[in-house]
Parts: sequence; structure tokens; C-alpha cells
Amino acid sequence: DSGVTQTPKHLITATGQRVTLRCSPRSGDLSVYWYQQSLDQGLQFLIQYYNGEERAKGNILERFSAQQFPDLHSELNLSSLELGDSALYFCASSSGARGNEQFFGPGTRLTVL
Amino acid sequence: EDQVTQSPEALRLQEGESSSLNCSYTVSGLRGLFWYRQDPGKGPEFLFTLYSAGEEKEKERLKATLTKKESFLHITAPKPEDSATYLCAVPGSGNTPLVFGKGTRLSVIA
Repeated sequence: DSGVTQTPKHLITATGQRVTLRCSPRSGDLSVYWYQQSLDQGLQFLIQYYNGEERAKGNILERFSAQQFPDLHSELNLSSLELGDSALYFCASSSGARGNEQFFGPGTRLTVL
Repeated sequence: EDQVTQSPEALRLQEGESSSLNCSYTVSGLRGLFWYRQDPGKGPEFLFTLYSAGEEKEKERLKATLTKKESFLHITAPKPEDSATYLCAVPGSGNTPLVFGKGTRLSVIA
């Protein structure tokens, strides 16, 4: 158990809908990262927040947004969902802003029908 | 462009048959190399961090080593429970936190 929690574990929704994924980092960690992993694809970095502020942006679509709250939990919002958005979404956390080991949560499996 | 390449893509071993996985990278100013294990449908599990050429880390049947341009994950006398995808990652340039390779899918057959 990494100490990172993610909810929900599974999400099934329809095209065009909007969903919110939630992540709580390990106790004491200030950075939260979001990744997408599609079938047979590697881990694609989406976005990082450090202590409430956006720190780095990867291949995140404009339909996706995220935020980190004062209690350091984070939410990833996915809107106007398409079939291709079906994937595993992982959250990770680390103590520092960069260069640290990242610890991953169990993931949310999103299925768009 | 920062790149991490892992080989082979897939590896099938008999139980007890030792082997090595490779991770090569192109990034300026290496600030650490990270190895993870990922089971199907689960989040990656952190294994090791290596910071400088010549450094080695061990955990049970796994040993990670680092040179200036690549890292190896040596698996000694593997067991079926070592079957998983092994990922390596390096911090990217600029503010990119980690760049991951696509992984090596290891299957150990009893």
C-alpha cells in the first residue's frame, strides 16, 4: 500500500459526459501528479500540482482540468468524454516539487461507452 | 527530446533462469533513474532510485545498476511471482517530472 488513495476505482459513463476523479496524496507529500495509461500505451504524464499551484503540464487535453485543494487532495475533471478517453488514470504523489520518487495510487479505470 | 527506451518489450523466462532488462535514456544532466514494477490493472510500485554511474541497489532477487547512458535490472533466479511489467523513468528537462519508458513485460513460467 503506497498511501495514495484514489476514488472511484471504476467509472462507466457515456460519451459527452463529465466525470471527476479524486486523489489523496501520502501524508506529508506536497506534489500530486496525474497520469493516463491506455491499453498497450505507456504512462502519459498529464499535470502536476505542488502545494496548490500548477507546477508542470504534460499532454493534457483542453477538455481535461485539475486542481489541488488546501488539504492537498486533488481532482481531475474530464469533460465532453470520447471513446478514446477510456483508460486507467493514476495519481501519484511525492514530497518535493521535482526529482523525487513518486508513489502511485491504485488508479481509476474509466470506461466511456 | 527526452527519451527513455526499454528492451526487450517482452521477456519470457523459466523459473530460476536469470536475465537482465535494459533501460537507456537521452536526457541532459541525469538527476536520478527510477525503477517501478506494475502488475496488470494496478498502480506502479516504486522499487529503486539510482543517482550516479556505478551505483547499485538490491531488493530480493532484483538488482539495479546504472551507467552513464543506461541502467540494467538484473533478475536472479526469478519466480513466477516476479511476473510483471518493469518500468524505468528519469526526470525530464525543464519542469517535466518523470519520463517513463514503455516497460518490459516479464513472464516467469514455473
